[in-house]
Amino acid sequence: GESVGLHLPTLSVQEGDNSIINCAYSNSASDYFIWYKQESGKGPQFIIDIRSNMDKRQGQRVTVLLNKTVKHLSLQIAATQPGDSAVYFCAENHFGNEKLTFGTGTRLTIIP
Amino acid sequence: GAGVSQSPSNKVTEKGKDVELRCDPISGHTALYWYRQSLGQGLEFLIYFQGNSAPDKSGLPSDRFSAERTGGSVSTLTIQRTQQEDSAVYLCASSPRAGLEAFFGQGTRLTVV
Repeated sequence: GESVGLHLPTLSVQEGDNSIINCAYSNSASDYFIWYKQESGKGPQFIIDIRSNMDKRQGQRVTVLLNKTVKHLSLQIAATQPGDSAVYFCAENHFGNEKLTFGTGTRLTIIP
Repeated sequence: GAGVSQSPSNKVTEKGKDVELRCDPISGHTALYWYRQSLGQGLEFLIYFQGNSAPDKSGLPSDRFSAERTGGSVSTLTIQRTQQEDSAVYLCASSPRAGLEAFFGQGTRLTVV
């Protein structure tokens, strides 16, 4: 069946370093991808999105990379800060099935 | 403007009782989603509404779960005869239309005792 999954369930990064969170998806029809950040006790918060006609998109301190050949998505966070500590989810949908399918999440911990 | 609002924020109920969870989406958003999140887990899709189309109920785990969306706005998720395994955070999200980013509420934490 369709799935969106993450390679690593936990990631610890030194404050100030860059972090990379990975996500694999299985549905070749997926054409829209979103990264969400979820802090403890809160709902997921939109970070950045990318459509399948793009390979890269940049936001403030974040970059999303999409490799459609290997069905891989990554979120890069530059110069991590303590406030970046959270669980990060990737999600996808595709035309004709527009409910978002979420991956299992990666917990990012920033070490001071 | 206001974001997605969910109520109650916390609900403790006895096993076997029915519960109703409410979601007020962002005004003008035509798409509305319900997800369930167990402790330390990912988001499990439950149901999706898009405008006046028939909802996608493919994620509802049993016939004890139902949801409706009145007037294309407020949605209510109802769980009948609650069981302990229903304990989770129930998250609602809305989107301007299907295929765009969804904005989440803070969730309702349901505890069945």
